[in-house]
Parts: sequence; structure tokens; C-alpha cells
Amino acid sequence: RKEVEQDPGPFNVPEGATVAFNCTYSNSASQSFFWYRQDCRKEPKLLMSVYSSGNEDGRFTAQLNRASQYISLLIRDSKLSDSATYLCVVRANFGNEKLTFGTGTRLTIIP
Amino acid sequence: NAGVTQTPKFQVLKTGQSMTLQCAQDMNHEYMSWYRQDPGMGLRLIHYSVGAGITDQGEVPNGYNVSRSTTEDFPLRLLSAAPSQTSVYFCASSSPLGQGAGNEQFFGPGTRLTVL
Repeated sequence: RKEVEQDPGPFNVPEGATVAFNCTYSNSASQSFFWYRQDCRKEPKLLMSVYSSGNEDGRFTAQLNRASQYISLLIRDSKLSDSATYLCVVRANFGNEKLTFGTGTRLTIIP
Repeated sequence: NAGVTQTPKFQVLKTGQSMTLQCAQDMNHEYMSWYRQDPGMGLRLIHYSVGAGITDQGEVPNGYNVSRSTTEDFPLRLLSAAPSQTSVYFCASSSPLGQGAGNEQFFGPGTRLTVL
């Protein structure tokens, strides 16, 4: 079983729609969680950290369920510029910068 | 600040050749790492360093060497290139280790390597 699993997609979603991605992780000792965004042929960039209580950044909402070892990302009112691959990322321990990446979910917003 | 820079952007090697991928950062980050990204595999950690003079192996270290003589530079050496090393290589850095939700890792633009 992969340490971090995501549905690879692709998700093809009309502009303005709401889309949700899910991610599961296998290491119950994992401490930190992130969503990164990667545009085609570019480097990954941090989209947002995921906190236990859930957090929101504009149109983006991230949720964490430690009991189910499940992370989600919700994008509301999707824009053409949201088209990218979204990477679920987990860090095992505080004080350890090593990250484990999911394979990514590809999103295409259709005009 | 330039952030994280990588050279070259593209490289074609023949099997058995050696080369060094360069990575530099100007943010005074202690932690630096090298990843490779292959289709369907996600990013996999090759080697990492928690500071100058300290390096350690990641998930897929075989066939690669690293050194960290300065805070700024973290070169990755391919000792004898193989077609299985055809990939996109990313270097990343982050600010000093500490508690909390975690510090953002900044990635370089990547090096696309093809081994024939």
C-alpha cells in the first residue's frame, strides 16, 4: 500500500463548479499535512497547510480526519487558473522535514 | 532573492556517463533535498541534508551521490547514468527545522534528464 494515496483523475470540471479531492495516508504517526499545486512542467508550490480543525483560504478549504487518516481539499467557484495537478503531502514527525508525496490529482477546468 | 536555482534545465546522457546536477539556494535554508518525479510515481526522495556537512539517504538513493560543503549548494551526482534514471529532478529547500505545522519547502524549476 502506498504511504499517500490519491485518485489520479483527471477531473474535468466546468468553470464555476465545486470540486473535491481526497487523499488517504497510511502512517498513523503522521503529524503535518499539506496540499501542493503543480502546474504542467513546473515545480510544486505550497497551496496550503492542513490543520486538525480544518482551514480555509479564499475559495479553498482543507479538512483533516485523523481517525480515518483522510485529507480533503475543496475548491469552490472554480476558475480556469485552477487547472493543475494537486499533490497531497504528509510529514511524519515534527522536527523532520522529510515529506511523502501522493502521485497527484489532475484537474482541468473547462470554460 | 533568486530562491532555489537548478542547472541545467535539460540534459541528455548516454548510458555510463556521469554528471552533476547543480542546486543552489539563497534563503539561508538549512534543509535541502533532491527528488525525482516519474509518471504515476509521485515525487520520491533521493537524498537530503539537514545542514552543511550532513547528508542522508532518502527512499531511492542508489546510483546517486550528494555532498553539502556549504549552506547554499547541494549538488547531485550521477555516478554511471542508466536509462532508469531518466526523470525530472527537483531540488528543494526549507527553513530551519522546528516544531509546528511545518515549514514550506521551496522547489527549484527542475532538471529534465534523459539517459539513452
